Amino acid sequence: SYELTQPLSVSVALGQTARITCGGNNIGRKNVHWYQQKPGQAPVLVIYRDSNRPSGIPERFSGSNSGNTATLTISRAQAGDESDYYCQVWDSSTHVVFGGGTKLTVL
Amino acid sequence: EVQLVESGGGLVQPGRSLRLSCAASGFTFDDYAMHWVRQAPGKGLEWVSGISWNSGSIGYADSVKGRFTISRDNAKNSLYLQMNSLRPEDTALYYCAKDYSSSWLNWFDPWGQGTLVTVSS
Repeated sequence: SYELTQPLSVSVALGQTARITCGGNNIGRKNVHWYQQKPGQAPVLVIYRDSNRPSGIPERFSGSNSGNTATLTISRAQAGDESDYYCQVWDSSTHVVFGGGTKLTVL
Repeated sequence: EVQLVESGGGLVQPGRSLRLSCAASGFTFDDYAMHWVRQAPGKGLEWVSGISWNSGSIGYADSVKGRFTISRDNAKNSLYLQMNSLRPEDTALYYCAKDYSSSWLNWFDPWGQGTLVTVSS
């Protein structure tokens, strides 16, 4: 079965750049999607197909995907970006797969 | 505005059944695949099941295969999840989510607010 690995937590200073990774075997060959989940709320899509932003998502959010690692980058981090972030792919054997989630803390 | 409203959650004993519903509005329901995703208390997201626009293609996570059944009624703009032989490990907040396209192979946007299922004696 296909697995995605995310760091449990990432910290970033206010105004700096946060990078959250999502590791998987040849993940660069798959489409990766990212969700933001704030406490007590439903997840919200922030990046789809590796690097595309839905309408309403700030340009500060960007994504990349190559080799065995996909990365969500949040520039000029704000206090409101503190959330859990999940990566997701579709795999032919496991179907839909989520990473374990990363808690982003803005210091 | 796209809206997904889940219902049907509650407290149920192990081994019993429960049926969840998701009422959709604000989009052409029968143009899109739909999914159920769950989140156990304090844990991450776990995909449960997906169904294509016409119910012609359905998928399940191994953890629920043979116990849960996803279905949809396009005339009623509704998605369902029949959950049988429930186990304590099925305790979670269950989200309904819309797929990007008619097949269940893409990303989820948006999500409903979820309905809580608690399996306990």
